[in-house]
Amino acid sequence: DGGITQSPKYLFRKEGQNVTLSCEQNLNHDAMYWYRQDPGQGLRLIYYSQIVNDFQKGDIAEGYSVSREKKESFPLTVTSAQKNPTAFYLCATKTWGNEQFFGPGTRLTVL
Amino acid sequence: KQEVTQIPAALSVPEGENLVLNCSFTDSAIYNLQWFRQDPGKGLTSLLLIQSSQREQTSGRLNASLDKSSGRSTLYIAASQPGDSATYLCAVVINTGTASKLTFGTGTRLQVTL
Repeated sequence: DGGITQSPKYLFRKEGQNVTLSCEQNLNHDAMYWYRQDPGQGLRLIYYSQIVNDFQKGDIAEGYSVSREKKESFPLTVTSAQKNPTAFYLCATKTWGNEQFFGPGTRLTVL
Repeated sequence: KQEVTQIPAALSVPEGENLVLNCSFTDSAIYNLQWFRQDPGKGLTSLLLIQSSQREQTSGRLNASLDKSSGRSTLYIAASQPGDSATYLCAVVINTGTASKLTFGTGTRLQVTL
């Protein structure tokens, strides 16, 4: 069963706490992306990775960090420096033809 | 900076009606355009991808057109059904040379009523 999995589905964070969102894919796509979605706004790019061991900042990278140690995995850490982290986070992959596919998302809430 | 606009923000139609969703973008130097569907609380599902050299793409009851010169794309849904109720998002791809980035519109929320 091919696809993109994100875990957990719901995540709650206390003030000052770092949390990590998981994204795994078995589509054999090289490029992976993290987006943030807020009500009434379009998706905004946080980080992206074209290949293993390489990643680039997107438009709103402050307060976030990523790693890309394996082709299949692209975890996102939301650090305490991110002042407004409550949002819906979406992971995506991209084919060579530039078509993007998305995971089911993780909803993060700050308590 | 590329900006993508979708009008209307919300639309309600009776079942069976044909409808058109609009997407406009400010920079015509796009690589391709992708239409997505999003159900509440879910991820995005890719519907259609139009390469910059193409004028339209079709999948079942869906037809997407692209006019780069005018900065517009439309998504045509034929014979709408209640199951088509969702938010529809368009996104344009700009090839920066080292990466391809998507810029999203804010979506059109469609409700198809019985």
